[in-house]
Amino acid sequence: QSALTQPASVSGSPGQSITISCTGTSSDVGAYKYVSWYQHHPGKAPKLMIYEVSNRPSGVSNRFSGSKSGHTASLTISGLQAEDEADYYCNSYTTSDTWVFGGGTKLTVL
Amino acid sequence: QVQLVESEGGVVQPGTSLRLSCAASGFTFSRYEMHWVRQAPGKGLEWVAFISYDGSRKYYADSVEGRFSISRDNSKNTLYLHMNSLRAEDTALYYCAKDRSNSFSYDYWGQGTLVTVSS
Repeated sequence: QSALTQPASVSGSPGQSITISCTGTSSDVGAYKYVSWYQHHPGKAPKLMIYEVSNRPSGVSNRFSGSKSGHTASLTISGLQAEDEADYYCNSYTTSDTWVFGGGTKLTVL
Repeated sequence: QVQLVESEGGVVQPGTSLRLSCAASGFTFSRYEMHWVRQAPGKGLEWVAFISYDGSRKYYADSVEGRFSISRDNSKNTLYLHMNSLRAEDTALYYCAKDRSNSFSYDYWGQGTLVTVSS
């Protein structure tokens, strides 16, 4: 159960787009469509932003989008806004009937 | 609206036990699978355990396998995490989370409860 690999930090200016990668293996990200992404503001509960690789829950802005290629999933945030500044985590179901998170990426809006 | 409220954690000594509970409301608890997720101080999120809607299937992270046990009481709309043989590395904020049906993701989370394992 090794954590998925995410960049420790990314940054962008308001209005720009950023992409956060999430690399796993053939036992997790590469095995299923069950990759999800969470936004976590310190002191608050994490929030589901993307499920099943690219689906947005009701109420999540369409500025957030997800994709996957092979063993790597990606979260793209377009039109960056100040309130997007947070930690972002990817998560995947695995072939061992467990789940695994990425190490987390701190997004800074400059 | 969906609410998940964890019981108070606390400070416990290494090697001891603690039971966390999570009271659910605003949805039909007995129809949904549930998870526990934790976050150690200054660290990222870590999935801990899963339980199916009827309690028949339970899965655990390697880090807690054999020490922690997840259970539920659908008559009380409550999820539990029984933690035994606690270690310093179990110190974390523990969240209960509702599974988003058939998507293997977590659509609602509690606010978390802090468990500190220290002598």
